[in-house]
Amino acid sequence: EVQLVESGGGVVQPGGSLRLSCAASGFTFDDYAMHWVRQAPGKGLEWVSLISGDGGSTYYADSVKGRFTISRDNSKNSLYLQMNSLRTEDTALYYCAKDSTAMAPGYYFDYWGQGTLVTVSS
Amino acid sequence: QSVLTQPPSVSGAPGQRVTISCTGSSSNIGAGYDVHWYQQLPGTAPKLLIYGNSNRPSGVPDRFSGSKSGTSASLAITGLQAEDEADYYCQSYDSSLSGLKVFGGGTKLTVL
Repeated sequence: EVQLVESGGGVVQPGGSLRLSCAASGFTFDDYAMHWVRQAPGKGLEWVSLISGDGGSTYYADSVKGRFTISRDNSKNSLYLQMNSLRTEDTALYYCAKDSTAMAPGYYFDYWGQGTLVTVSS
Repeated sequence: QSVLTQPPSVSGAPGQRVTISCTGSSSNIGAGYDVHWYQQLPGTAPKLLIYGNSNRPSGVPDRFSGSKSGTSASLAITGLQAEDEADYYCQSYDSSLSGLKVFGGGTKLTVL
């Protein structure tokens, strides 16, 4: 059974940093690209970032480019999102999502975690 | 403002058929990129409902179907049931933005 468990969310002040983690199990982790997708309170889904299965390719939404960094450790079956220079508009539930393929830009999200909440507030 | 346009809400009585539209442009759906649909039940994570325009993952009832034509796609739900009440999102790829993956704004389905 595929499982994706996010952690690392919390309350942070504007300008602060946070590192999210996603622990994956139930599939061969390095065979698949992985994503972060976020959902602001009461709003829709917004794609944030993608990393290929081998970690060699990364992509970002314009809204986070230069501030967020996606990475993965295939030896630990883990996905990460380093978030710097956080803004109030980054407040959201952050989901880790598995892609159906290994290569970027990926195809569709076939499994999602339950999300971790990031609140940026002074 | 989402790149893909969905109606904010639709409704139907149990047993009825409803459709949810997803309108894009020449840089996404109209360019031939596939459309995928996700169902988000209240308080839960999104779940894949339809992939590759019209394919259902294992376990998704055949009451759910998808189609695509031109710059638009549609999700149809027949034999509406109370447990179908949820938010539905379409998603595709966009070649004009560095954002790659684009979503519709979501449609709230209410079962009357």
